[in-house]
Amino acid sequence: QQKVQQSPESLIVPEGGMASLNCTFSDRNSQYFWWYRQHSGEGPKALMSIFSNGDKKEGRFTAHLNKASLHVSLHIKDSQPSDSALYFCAVSPPPYQGGRALIFGTGTTVSVSP
Amino acid sequence: GGIITQTPKFLIGQEGQKLTLKCQQNFNHDTMYWYRQDSGKGLRLIYYSITENDLQKGDLSEGYDASREKKSSFSLTVTSAQKNEMAVFLCASSPGTVYAEQFFGPGTRLTVL
Repeated sequence: QQKVQQSPESLIVPEGGMASLNCTFSDRNSQYFWWYRQHSGEGPKALMSIFSNGDKKEGRFTAHLNKASLHVSLHIKDSQPSDSALYFCAVSPPPYQGGRALIFGTGTTVSVSP
Repeated sequence: GGIITQTPKFLIGQEGQKLTLKCQQNFNHDTMYWYRQDSGKGLRLIYYSITENDLQKGDLSEGYDASREKKSSFSLTVTSAQKNEMAVFLCASSPGTVYAEQFFGPGTRLTVL
């Protein structure tokens, strides 16, 4: 049974600063990973996906994947107050397990202080 | 673009009551999902459906029934609401391919008195 853990549980980052979020997963057959963001009162929205080892950058957001160490991270550069939200790491099951229903991590609450 | 609509936005029920939550999507997506979120924590899968009339159980399916009578809609029934239960139920949809992005609705907040 896949386990997805996130750390820290919460963090406060100054406006303009860097936020770093971590996620570990347990199934070595996992291939595809997502970061979702949820603002208060809304449903989660996908920020980005990653499936190759290394870095993937989209604007101020950079995801890093290391499958060997079962680790994926998200870094938010130049944090803005609008980045204050709950962030989830999510892992897609491999195709032989359906490949569809995401397994979500425990979440990290990010607060950007002005 | 498209949208996912969940009704009702807030649902208050009594212990033991049968309660139904509804979800509609106009993305024309094949796959739809129901997740439960407790106290702003992680999402847990209740049911998903890869096509009309298909149902697949998630880890949290006990105590719930689901129905996918047409492609655009997916309903979830709480078969016997538990006192002090409070959670947000999130509906999502995605294209039929594996590894596809999921799009979420705003949620239904359930309170059981």
